[in-house]
Amino acid sequence: DAGITQSPRHKVTETGTPVTLRCHQTENHRYMYWYRQDPGHGLRLIHYSYGVKDTDKGEVSDGYSVSRSKTEDFLLTLESATSSQTSVYFCAIRGAANEKLFFGSGTQLSVL
Amino acid sequence: SQQGEEDPQALSIQEGENATMNCSYKTSINNLQWYRQNSGRGLVHLILIRSNEREKHSGRLRVTLDTSKKSSSLLITASRAADTASYFCATALASGSRLTFGEGTQLTVNP
Repeated sequence: DAGITQSPRHKVTETGTPVTLRCHQTENHRYMYWYRQDPGHGLRLIHYSYGVKDTDKGEVSDGYSVSRSKTEDFLLTLESATSSQTSVYFCAIRGAANEKLFFGSGTQLSVL
Repeated sequence: SQQGEEDPQALSIQEGENATMNCSYKTSINNLQWYRQNSGRGLVHLILIRSNEREKHSGRLRVTLDTSKKSSSLLITASRAADTASYFCATALASGSRLTFGEGTQLTVNP
C-alpha cells in the first residue's frame, strides 16, 4: 500500500479512554490525511497535515487531535473515546506534485 | 453534506457485462477522481479527470465529466469477478486541495 503503515490494525477500547492511532509513511510525501469511514457516510476527513507541525481541521474534527513531529509520522488521538467514534480509520498521503491519494489499510476501532 | 453522491448505491451484474456508476456534485470543481476499495482494504486510485476534460480512458475504464450537469460517470467494460468492490468518486475544489468523497457504489460482478 504505497509505503504506508497504519497501527494498530484493530483496537477495542472502552468509553472515556484515550486512544492514539499511528500512520507511518516511507514515501517522504508532504501531505498526510486522516479519514473515517462509516456506513452511509463514505469517507469523511478528520484532520490533515501539509508539513511537519502544520495541521488543519477537516469536516469531522471534534473529539480528535493530531500531531506531526516528523515527516513520516502522523498521529491521530482520541482524547476520550466515545461510542460514536467506533469506525474504520484510514490514513492517506499525497506528494506535493501529485493530486491522487495513497491509502493505508485502515484501523478498525471499536469503542465499547 | 457530501460534495459527491454516487448512484446507484449497489449494482449487481454478470461477468462480461458493462458496469456504469454515476457521481453528482454540488459546486464547481478542479478535478474529480475515482477510487476503488476492495473489502477490508484501503482505497486505490483509479483515474483523475480535470474540469476542462470531458472523457478519459484507462484500460477497461472510461470516465466522463459533464461540468454543466455537475456529474461524472465511470464505465467498466467487460467486467470481471475481480472488479467486485466499492467505487468512490472524490472531488477537489482546487488543484491540490483536499478531496471530498461520496458514499460509494457497491459493485458485485457474478461469475
